Amino acid sequence: DGGITQSPKYLFRKEGQNVTLSCEQNLNHDAMYWYRQDPGQGLRLIYYSQIVNDFQKGDIAEGYSVSREKKESFPLTVTSAQKNPTAFYLCASSPPYRPKTPLARDRGSPSSGNTIYFGEGSWLTVV
Amino acid sequence: AQTVTQSQPEMSVQEAETVTLSCTYDTSESNYYLFWYKQPPSRQMILVIRQEAYKQQNATENRFSVNFQKAAKSFSLKISDSQLGDTAMYFCAFMTPPEYGNKLVFGAGTILRVKS
Repeated sequence: DGGITQSPKYLFRKEGQNVTLSCEQNLNHDAMYWYRQDPGQGLRLIYYSQIVNDFQKGDIAEGYSVSREKKESFPLTVTSAQKNPTAFYLCASSPPYRPKTPLARDRGSPSSGNTIYFGEGSWLTVV
Repeated sequence: AQTVTQSQPEMSVQEAETVTLSCTYDTSESNYYLFWYKQPPSRQMILVIRQEAYKQQNATENRFSVNFQKAAKSFSLKISDSQLGDTAMYFCAFMTPPEYGNKLVFGAGTILRVKS
């Protein structure tokens, strides 16, 4: 079945340790995202990648790192520099992005890549 | 910068009744997408409904519909015939245009409790 797989579901990190969360998708999506969710709050964007070998910082990138060596994979490393990493982490992906042509924009027709799908998430706890 | 505001932290509704969740957003763009996502206790993010800003017609998906007021930058979700399985956190989200990364910006969420 097609989907987004995150692993592990639960992860414990010791002080000063780097840990990596895995995210794999077989949907042939170009764009991938990492979000963090703290209890009772909304999602905040950590990093995103629109194509292979390219990624950009989101709103809360400090203390995190990512790579995008393959289209299917977008692992997130939580480094020791992230002082409060305990949270729920969600990976997401989006279909291929096709920019609107000026005529398409004038007609108001939608672009592709305009829905984001999520994995089941990973819990990270500092011990 | 785009922002999304959900002014109702929690709401309750009786089973089979109708409830409306509020959402406002701020953007200078004219073409964009708006979403409602549902997050049950399992934490899985489930897409409920999507609205393209260029469409005047409000989106509907079975018991879920939206009231999209572009000029007012309002995007409320109406749930009809509420069911116990609708109990969840609901997030309103705005998608930035492709030139800004097709990113989702989320509101803080509204906890909806459906009571029997």
